[in-house]
Amino acid sequence: NAGVTQTPKFRVLKTGQSMTLLCAQDMNHEYMYWYRQDPGMGLRLIHYSVGEGTTAKGEVPDGYNVSRLKKQNFLLGLESAAPSQTSVYFCASIAGGWGGETQYFGPGTRLLVL
Amino acid sequence: AQSVTQLDSHVSVSEGTPVLLRCNYSSSYSPSLFWYVQHPNKGLQLLLKYTSAATLVKGINGFEAEFKKSETSFHLTKPSAHMSDAAEYFCVVSERSSASKIIFGSGTRLSIRP
Repeated sequence: NAGVTQTPKFRVLKTGQSMTLLCAQDMNHEYMYWYRQDPGMGLRLIHYSVGEGTTAKGEVPDGYNVSRLKKQNFLLGLESAAPSQTSVYFCASIAGGWGGETQYFGPGTRLLVL
Repeated sequence: AQSVTQLDSHVSVSEGTPVLLRCNYSSSYSPSLFWYVQHPNKGLQLLLKYTSAATLVKGINGFEAEFKKSETSFHLTKPSAHMSDAAEYFCVVSERSSASKIIFGSGTRLSIRP
């Protein structure tokens, strides 16, 4: 039982390049989330999904797209990377939709955009 | 609307002395409240959570927090700090009925002096 995994762990991009971050969970969780973490700002929600085939915007969705074609995977895409997207990205999941549930986090992806 | 404020961005204590990390929240709904810990270059891990049962909540590693509705606070405490407690701590508020509205505080960095 690996929990939540993220691929890759670290990536360097040039401005304008594209990439996809993969989040995978093996706990059969319904809800999945993508956050970015910047110094002094906590975690900010980019997009989330309440189930397979569904996605919704979070607090800071601009410049990102997501897909949830399979229940266990949640992909975060950057179509044209910008230096402002340099950050640490975390994926998380929750079993169901109740707000009192524990979020399980991946180890993070560190992205540097030059 | 929900919000959460961590009153200190950095707290430094000596090993063996008490720890107090302060968190105030605002919520239009019955909230769930969480404390997560993040060790350097790691993902986030749940310390403890309040979901409407006992107002004094005990977590892992000797931490506890008290939900005070009248003061809209959920401060994290530990009687005696250990070097391994050095980490970033996040207070989180969620609408209890929905996992779509989860708000993170900006974090408090806890340093432990030998």
